[in-house]
Amino acid sequence: KQEVTQIPAALSVPEGENLVLNCSFTDSAIYNLQWFRQDPGKGLTSLLLIQSSQREQTSGRLNASLDKSSGRSTLYIAASQPGDSATYLCAVNDYGQNFVFGPGTRLSVLP
Amino acid sequence: DAGITQSPRYKITETGRQVTLMCHQTWSHSYMFWYRQDLGHGLRLIYYSAAADITDKGEVPDGYVVSRSKTENFPLTLESATRSQTSVYFCASSERGNEQFFGPGTRLTVL
Repeated sequence: KQEVTQIPAALSVPEGENLVLNCSFTDSAIYNLQWFRQDPGKGLTSLLLIQSSQREQTSGRLNASLDKSSGRSTLYIAASQPGDSATYLCAVNDYGQNFVFGPGTRLSVLP
Repeated sequence: DAGITQSPRYKITETGRQVTLMCHQTWSHSYMFWYRQDLGHGLRLIYYSAAADITDKGEVPDGYVVSRSKTENFPLTLESATRSQTSVYFCASSERGNEQFFGPGTRLTVL
């Protein structure tokens, strides 16, 4: 059974810092991996999708990498801003469209 | 409105009552999903559907029923609500292998 973990559980940084969020999964036979952000009381917003054949994806200040063999993905956020404060979740998709989510990393960016 | 919508946004019901949560998407995505989100458990897949009239169980299907007679709609029914089904329910849609897009959620309280 696929298990997904995220480290750290919470992170607080001053504005302007670059930061890395980690996602680990136990079964490397994945179809793709998706990163989301969730604001309090809101739904999930898709940030980046990495297919199993890709090594990384970039969108603006966000860069996600994928290392299937080691069961890891990282989300890099450059020049963090207070508006980046949210919970970040990764989700691993197996070939059966069974998405398994990590518990999330709660990020606070302090002005 | 374009996108994915859920109704109602908030619902309070009593133990033993039947409750139906609605989900509607305008993208004509093949896949639709129902998740529940609980503190300490994160997001867990209840049911998903690959196309109209095709549904399959996720991680936590017990106590729930789904149907999909039209591509754009994917209702979730709690046949006899229990307190353990108090949760926030999210609907999502995607094309196979592509990003999942989430609705705003339904907060359900079972008294």
